[in-house]
Amino acid sequence: GESVGLHLPTLSVQEGDNSIINCAYSNSASDYFIWYKQESGKGPQFIIDIRSNMDKRQGQRVTVLLNKTVKHLSLQIAATQPGDSAVYFCAAISGGYQKVTFGTGTKLQVIP
Amino acid sequence: DGGITQSPKYLFRKEGQNVTLSCEQNLNHDAMYWYRQDPGQGLRLIYYSQIVNDFQKGDIAEGYSVSREKKESFPLTVTSAQKNPTAFYLCASSNPANLGTGIYFGAGTRLSVL
Repeated sequence: GESVGLHLPTLSVQEGDNSIINCAYSNSASDYFIWYKQESGKGPQFIIDIRSNMDKRQGQRVTVLLNKTVKHLSLQIAATQPGDSAVYFCAAISGGYQKVTFGTGTKLQVIP
Repeated sequence: DGGITQSPKYLFRKEGQNVTLSCEQNLNHDAMYWYRQDPGQGLRLIYYSQIVNDFQKGDIAEGYSVSREKKESFPLTVTSAQKNPTAFYLCASSNPANLGTGIYFGAGTRLSVL
C-alpha cells in the first residue's frame, strides 16, 4: 500500500544548529510534495513545496531536497530557533491532487 | 486576508447528537477537503469536493456527511453513527487546476464527546 513515513518521531536540536527532518514516500507517481509545520492545537502551516522535476528548493532558512531514485525528501532548517519547535510532516501528491498522502510527523524540539 | 476559517474552535457532542463543523474559504479554490487528525497518526481523509455540488468519500467517511452548495463553504456533519468522534478536524482547500500552489489548512476544530 501507499505510505509516507518519517524516519524519526522526535528530533532534539540545540538552538542555532541545523535541523534535518526526513520523509520517505512509496508512490512513484507522486509529483508534488509539501512540508508543513504544525504547532500544538493549530492547523498545519505550509512551509515549502517542491515539484518532482526539481531536486532542491530553498526558502527562508529552509531547504527541501528531493531524491526520486530512493523516494526520499528532507527538510533542512538552518540556525534552528525556539520558534521552530513543532511537528513537521510531509505530503506526497499525485494525480493533480487526486491522491494526497500525509506522513505522521516528526516532533522537533529546540533546546535553548 | 485570504484563508480558511473553521468554526467553532472547540465543540462538544452529546451521545446521539449530530454536530456540524463549519469551513469557509476565500481563496477561490475549487477543491475542499476534510481531514481527521488523531494523536500519533497522519491525516486521514473524510470527504473531499472538487467542485460545487459534488463530493466524494475519503478513507473514513462512515458516520460523516458533507454538502457543497457554495464554492466557499464545505460544512461537515458528524452524525450519531460516528462512534468515536473525538479528534481534531481540519478543513483544507486547493486549486487543482494549478498544481504547485499548495494545499492550505484552517486552524481546526477540536471535537470532544460529553
